[in-house]
Amino acid sequence: EVQLVESGGGLVQPGGSLRLSCAASGFMFSSYPLNWVRQSPGKGLEWISHIRGSDVSPVYADSVRGRFTISRDNAKNSLYLQMDRLRAEDTGVYYCVRDHEFAFDHWGQGTLVTVSS
Amino acid sequence: QSALTQPPSASGSPGQSVTISCTGISSDSHDHVSWYQQHPGKAPKLIIYEVNKRPSGVPDRFSGSKSGSTASLTVSGLQAEDDSDYYCASYGGYFNWVFGGGTKLTVL
Repeated sequence: EVQLVESGGGLVQPGGSLRLSCAASGFMFSSYPLNWVRQSPGKGLEWISHIRGSDVSPVYADSVRGRFTISRDNAKNSLYLQMDRLRAEDTGVYYCVRDHEFAFDHWGQGTLVTVSS
Repeated sequence: QSALTQPPSASGSPGQSVTISCTGISSDSHDHVSWYQQHPGKAPKLIIYEVNKRPSGVPDRFSGSKSGSTASLTVSGLQAEDDSDYYCASYGGYFNWVFGGGTKLTVL
């Protein structure tokens, strides 16, 4: 069974940093691209970053480019999101998501990030 | 690519059919259009990919289609458990995606 378990969310002040992790199991981790998708409170979904299985050429949404860094450790079956210079509008639930055939086929349960003073 | 446009709400009675639209799909999507169901407090679940394909385990009451820049999700034979939020998504080229704003489907 495919499982994706996020951790690392919490309360952080504007301008601060946070690092999210996602532990994966149940599939050949290095063979699949992964993404982070977030959802602001009461709002819709927003794709924010993608990384291929070979950990090359990550891609970012305009809203986070230059502030967030996606990475993965295939030896540890783990995905990460380093979030710097956080803003209030970054508040939301962050999901670790596997993509297959250009669709998001497995999602984690999400981790809540709150940016507030 | 800008966010896709969905109606904020839709409704139908048990047994009826409801169609949710998703407009603004770029030609760069190459038919990589998907739909997700999200119940309150839960993670989204993939229900349609590549415009009209269903993952294993998704009932055939759910179907998808696309015409020009508009994709549609049809839920036939509405059931109480279909009461949920639905999101469309489109591949925008070069490994980035855009979602629709979501539609709250109410089963009356």
